[in-house]
Amino acid sequence: SQTIHQWPATLVQPVGSPLSLECTVEGTSNPNLYWYRQAAGRGLQLLFYSVGIGQISSEVPQNLSASRPQDRQFILSSKKLLLSDSGFYLCAWRGGRREKLFFGSGTQLSVL
Amino acid sequence: SQQGEEDPQALSIQEGENATMNCSYKTSINNLQWYRQNSGRGLVHLILIRSNEREKHSGRLRVTLDTSKKSSSLLITASRAADTASYFCATDAVENNDMRFGAGTRLTVKP
Repeated sequence: SQTIHQWPATLVQPVGSPLSLECTVEGTSNPNLYWYRQAAGRGLQLLFYSVGIGQISSEVPQNLSASRPQDRQFILSSKKLLLSDSGFYLCAWRGGRREKLFFGSGTQLSVL
Repeated sequence: SQQGEEDPQALSIQEGENATMNCSYKTSINNLQWYRQNSGRGLVHLILIRSNEREKHSGRLRVTLDTSKKSSSLLITASRAADTASYFCATDAVENNDMRFGAGTRLTVKP
C-alpha cells in the first residue's frame, strides 16, 4: 500500500535561518506531488506541484523553493526564513490527474 | 491563490441534525472533491464528483455539483459529534495538474 511521510512534525526556526522540509512517498511510482501552506484557521494555499523529477511548478513567488531530486521525494526549502513563512505545511500526492489527494501529517513551522 | 470560497465559514449544529456546506469555484474543472481536516492534522479525502455528474452519495454524505453555476454542496445527514472538523472543497482543473482548495467550513456538532 502507498504511504506518505512528512517530517518533522513541528519546527521552530529563527528569522533568517534556512529551511528544509522533506516529503517521501512509498508504494507508488511517478506520483504528482504537492506542497501546500495553511495559516491558522484558514484554507490551503498551493505553493508548488511537480509531475516528474526536476519538474516544478511554482504558484506563489516568494522566498521558498521546491525540488524533486528523486521520483518519490519532494523537498521544500528556503535560504532565509521570514516571519510570514510561519504556518502549517502539508505535502500531498496523487497518482495522476483526476484523482484524489493523499496528505501527509503536516509540519507546523514557527518562525520567531 | 485559492480557487473559491466555502460558506458558511463556520456552522454549529446539534447532533442528529443535517449540515450543509457550499462551495463556489472559478475555473473549468475535471472534478470537485471534498476533504475533511481534524485540527492540526492532514486532510482526508471524502468524496469526488466528476464534472458530468450532478449528485453523488457516500454513506451519510451527499454531494451536488452545478457546473453552470460553478458551485457544489456537501450535505452530512444525521450528524454526530465525531463529524466536528473543517471541511474543504478542492477543484481539479482542466488546464493543469494543480488542485486548489477553498477557505473551508468549520463544523461543530454539539452532543
